[in-house]
Amino acid sequence: QQQVKQSPQSLIVQKGGISIINCAYENTAFDYFPWYQQFPGKGPALLIAIRPDVSEKKEGRFTISFNKSAKQFSLHIMDSQPGDSATYFCAASKGSNTGKLIFGQGTTLQVKP
Amino acid sequence: ETGVTQSPTHLIKTRGQQVTLRCSSQSGHNTVSWYQQALGQGPQFIFQYYREEENGRGNFPPRFSGLQFPNYSSELNVNALELDDSALYLCASSLGTSGNEQYFGPGTRLTVT
Repeated sequence: QQQVKQSPQSLIVQKGGISIINCAYENTAFDYFPWYQQFPGKGPALLIAIRPDVSEKKEGRFTISFNKSAKQFSLHIMDSQPGDSATYFCAASKGSNTGKLIFGQGTTLQVKP
Repeated sequence: ETGVTQSPTHLIKTRGQQVTLRCSSQSGHNTVSWYQQALGQGPQFIFQYYREEENGRGNFPPRFSGLQFPNYSSELNVNALELDDSALYLCASSLGTSGNEQYFGPGTRLTVT
């Protein structure tokens, strides 16, 4: 059972543009929603995370928007840069356990100069 | 402060063999989670160890087993290797199971032939 669905599978954005990646979840018990960035040959690195008591969280150029009623959350990357080219994963967990994550399938982002 | 380290970096095994992968958690972290990441997919949760005890398991058969040692380092053991076990194996550590973010190591690339 796929509990976290991520889209799109791939994304091409011009430098300076906004990259938007969406995720939908099924389990209403999920209460922790992180986004990870992964470069080839590396482990995932935490970008930003949100809990369902807030609808938006911003850290630098990265923003998570969270819609509890729709069971959806999204990552917005403002002023996208070529260095942002990587694979992005959304994830979710329940019981506030930051380690038992259910990941989405990933989005490969390419930012063109 | 050292990050999460994993060994070996790469490993090639034959179907039916057994393998042990190792993880050293980040300094001060007492929780380790293991994930399997097949090529082009998101990581899948295998199990978590907290203070040397298994604290939850994903949908993996019993031939996947683990250990956590008093210094909080961890091992992942896989018996009777199958071709589908070929993947990147990631470990991640955190302080406790909730409230603190987990940090991933670079992974061990396992190839089963």
